[in-house]
Amino acid sequence: KAGVTQTPRYLIKTRGQQVTLSCSPISGHRSVSWYQQTPGQGLQFLFEYFSETQRNKGNFPGRFSGRQFSNSRSEMNVSTLELGDSALYLCASSPLTLANTGELFFGEGSRLTVL
Amino acid sequence: GENVEQHPSTLSVQEGDSAVIKCTYSDSASNYFPWYKQELGKGPQLIIDIRSNVGEKKDQRIAVTLNKTAKHFSLHITETQPEDSAVYFCAASRDFGNEKLTFGTGTRLTIIP
Repeated sequence: KAGVTQTPRYLIKTRGQQVTLSCSPISGHRSVSWYQQTPGQGLQFLFEYFSETQRNKGNFPGRFSGRQFSNSRSEMNVSTLELGDSALYLCASSPLTLANTGELFFGEGSRLTVL
Repeated sequence: GENVEQHPSTLSVQEGDSAVIKCTYSDSASNYFPWYKQELGKGPQLIIDIRSNVGEKKDQRIAVTLNKTAKHFSLHITETQPEDSAVYFCAASRDFGNEKLTFGTGTRLTIIP
């Protein structure tokens, strides 16, 4: 079974630009979450989608947005990039079935560098 | 909101010795506490979790203890091996199956051969 796939793996942008990151969850997983990982702050929750609906949102500015498609694939977008947005963006999927263990399955992340 | 503190930030132990990582949380309503291991260049991977109705859980060389009164939980790794070297994150959540986890800042564990 393929794992969570995130694209692109690495990207470099300049301040003021926007970026779109993509996540394909494990087949059958309907929940997709996004986390930002930085050396100083650790992993911080961005948002979570289930069946194309945002169910939870973290404390990030409105420049951070996301969406989920009918096939459970998800994208997140960051507009008007700032230097502080440089981070590893991790996507995680979860099956959310009755037998769910609560486990999140993480991808390898998209490393964004803002210059 | 929830706040999770994790200590120490770095830990070096001799191969074969035990390692202990401690976390405290602030939200008394939290009831699900997973631990994730992140190897270099990879995403975090769940290694063990515990729910608030259990005080201890063990899986081979790994164990987690939970003290709800004091609001802290710990990861214990015994008989450490080189492959245990990684960054470990604790996390807390109000609802089992809730994907909104609040993570600690991580512990870089190095096993010295």
